Amino acid sequence: QVQLVQSGAEVKTPGASVRLSCKASGYDFSTYNIQWVRQAPGQGLEWMGMINARGDRTTNAQKFQVRVTMIRDTSTSTVYMELSSLRSEDTAVYYCARDPATAPGAFDFWGQGTLVTVSS
Amino acid sequence: QLVVTQSPSASASLGASVKLTCTLSSGHSNNAIAWHQQQPEKGPRYLMKLNSDGSHSKGDGIPDRFSGSSSGAERYLTISSLQSEDEADYYCQAWGPGIRVFGGGTKLTVL
Repeated sequence: QVQLVQSGAEVKTPGASVRLSCKASGYDFSTYNIQWVRQAPGQGLEWMGMINARGDRTTNAQKFQVRVTMIRDTSTSTVYMELSSLRSEDTAVYYCARDPATAPGAFDFWGQGTLVTVSS
Repeated sequence: QLVVTQSPSASASLGASVKLTCTLSSGHSNNAIAWHQQQPEKGPRYLMKLNSDGSHSKGDGIPDRFSGSSSGAERYLTISSLQSEDEADYYCQAWGPGIRVFGGGTKLTVL
C-alpha cells in the first residue's frame, strides 16, 4: 500500500536549520511530485513548495524562496526538505504529500507529519 | 492571483446532511480543486478531486456519503448521513502552474 513515512520530531534553536525526510513506498516514486505543507499550532494548512518527479526542479512558495531547499534521492525513494534560519514562528507540523506528475494538482496521499519545535 | 475562500465554520445534526463551500477567485472559475479532511489531532486525508463540471474522483476508502458538485466559481462538498467522526476541519486545495493554495478551512461541528 502507498506510504509516505516522515522522520521524527525535532527541537531546534532559533537560527538553526532542520532537515526533514519523507520516504515513499508502495507506488512508482518516479511518477509523483512531492509537496511540503506545514501547519502551525491552531492554524490552517500552508503550502511551502514542491520537488518534481524527476527531482530536477523545485518550486517554492514566495515566502520560502530563500530558506527552503529540497532534494530527491531516487535510490531510497526519499525526499529531504531543509528549512534554514529557523525562528519561533516556524514551530509547526510539517507534512509531505504527493501529486501525480502527469496531472499535477490534487494531493492524493499525505505523510503522517513531523513536529518541529523552535525554541531557545 | 489564485485564492480560495471557505467559511470558517459549519454545523449540522447527526444523521443530517451538510454542504460546505469553497470559492475560487476571479479568473479561476474553471479550476479543479481537491477536498481534504483533517480530524482532530490527525493529519490531512484526501477526499476527492472536483472538476468545474462537477465530476469528481474520490480517494481510496472514502464513503459514498461524501460527494462533490460545482457551480461557477463555487465548489461544494456534501456530506450526507452525518456521523460523529465527520466532525473535522475540511480544506479546499487549488493549484496552478508552480503554485498550490489552501483555503482557510471549515470547521464542521456535528451536533
